[in-house]
Amino acid sequence: DGGITQSPKYLFRKEGQNVTLSCEQNLNHDAMYWYRQDPGQGLRLIYYSQIVNDFQKGDIAEGYSVSREKKESFPLTVTSAQKNPTAFYLCASSIEVRNQPQHFGDGTRLSIL
Amino acid sequence: QKEVEQNSGPLSVPEGAIASLNCTYSDRVSQSFFWYRQYSGKSPELIMSIYSNGDKEDGRFTAQLNKASQYVSLLIRDSQPSDSATYLCAAFSGGSYIPTFGRGTSLIVHP
Repeated sequence: DGGITQSPKYLFRKEGQNVTLSCEQNLNHDAMYWYRQDPGQGLRLIYYSQIVNDFQKGDIAEGYSVSREKKESFPLTVTSAQKNPTAFYLCASSIEVRNQPQHFGDGTRLSIL
Repeated sequence: QKEVEQNSGPLSVPEGAIASLNCTYSDRVSQSFFWYRQYSGKSPELIMSIYSNGDKEDGRFTAQLNKASQYVSLLIRDSQPSDSATYLCAAFSGGSYIPTFGRGTSLIVHP
């Protein structure tokens, strides 16, 4: 079955620590995205990538970094510079960027220890 | 700035009724529109796409698009308690690589 796999489901970060959230898709989609969702809030775009080896900052990229070395993988690192990282992180993909629906993974819930 | 507006709700309807969820958008050149359902603690799930004016039906769901008035709506017929969720509206502008999401409307279907 094709889909988007995010891991881990829950993650805890210590002060000053970088953590990496995994996102893998086997849908053969070109475009991939990372969103952050806070309780009762909408989706806020962190980064997106249209093709391998290329990615663009979204609205709230500060304190985050990404890479896109393979078409199927788009990991997100939450760095120690992100002072308020507690949130629900969602990875999505689409066939291409324009006018195509996004399909979401199950999400990773990140909390501070 | 492109905006997609939704009433946060909650919208409360009795079981078996029609639930009507509305969404307005600010960018006149928006071309494609999507409705997602998000259960509490879960990720959004695509339920409807609509690209042209008029109605599009899929089972108990009907999406309605009116580009002249810049609104898109989602009707859920014969609402069930399992329809209780937050519904997100998203719009793509023609030249944009990224959809704009609304904050979502919470729907509660009570028995």
